[in-house]
Amino acid sequence: QQQVKQSPQSLIVQKGGIPIINCAYENTAFDYFPWYQQFPGKGPALLIAIRPDVSEKKEGRFTISFNKSAKQFSLHIMDSQPGDSATYFCAASMGAGSYQLTFGKGTKLSVIP
Amino acid sequence: DVKVTQSSRYLVKRTGEKVFLECVQDMDHENMFWYRQDPGLGLRLIYFSYDVKMKEKGDIPEGYSVSREKKERFSLILESASTNQTSMYLCASRSPLSGSYEQYFGPGTRLTVT
Repeated sequence: QQQVKQSPQSLIVQKGGIPIINCAYENTAFDYFPWYQQFPGKGPALLIAIRPDVSEKKEGRFTISFNKSAKQFSLHIMDSQPGDSATYFCAASMGAGSYQLTFGKGTKLSVIP
Repeated sequence: DVKVTQSSRYLVKRTGEKVFLECVQDMDHENMFWYRQDPGLGLRLIYFSYDVKMKEKGDIPEGYSVSREKKERFSLILESASTNQTSMYLCASRSPLSGSYEQYFGPGTRLTVT
């Protein structure tokens, strides 16, 4: 019930491609879904977040798509660049104010020139 | 900029030793968190503290304890380190009173227990 399942585990795309990372959850009480980006040697940093009252949120080249009925959400990176190479984690919590974030297992993205 | 610092980037300890991992944040955040990160397992919450002297267990508290005597500092304690506690440890903080629920992470401490 508390799990967030993330796929794929790793992803390689060419520069300019559109990598897509998918997450699925079971707990319908989750209502805050952030994505974190982690570069090697650094801690994760918030990239973008969505609430289930919208189906899509875009910030720059990063877009979250949210499908409430399917209990799935995904991250799309438009015009991907080598500098986007990082590990991406989806997460979920029961309210933005909830103390506990449940993280997916992460996707290692490599964007090759 | 919010800054979360962790006392060591790399630490090597022997089985049975008592280990202290220190975390300091400079933004007067109310909440602080300790996670461990393992390949293929993502981030798992060990303990969190919603305010000074307050603590709550996360998903994997066994073998760990914490201390928060001052608002800016949150310590993770391994009472008797074991090899299965070899991992990357991440500290985070946030301030819900500021209206943001973003967690700010430190750079991590890679602990090896031999």
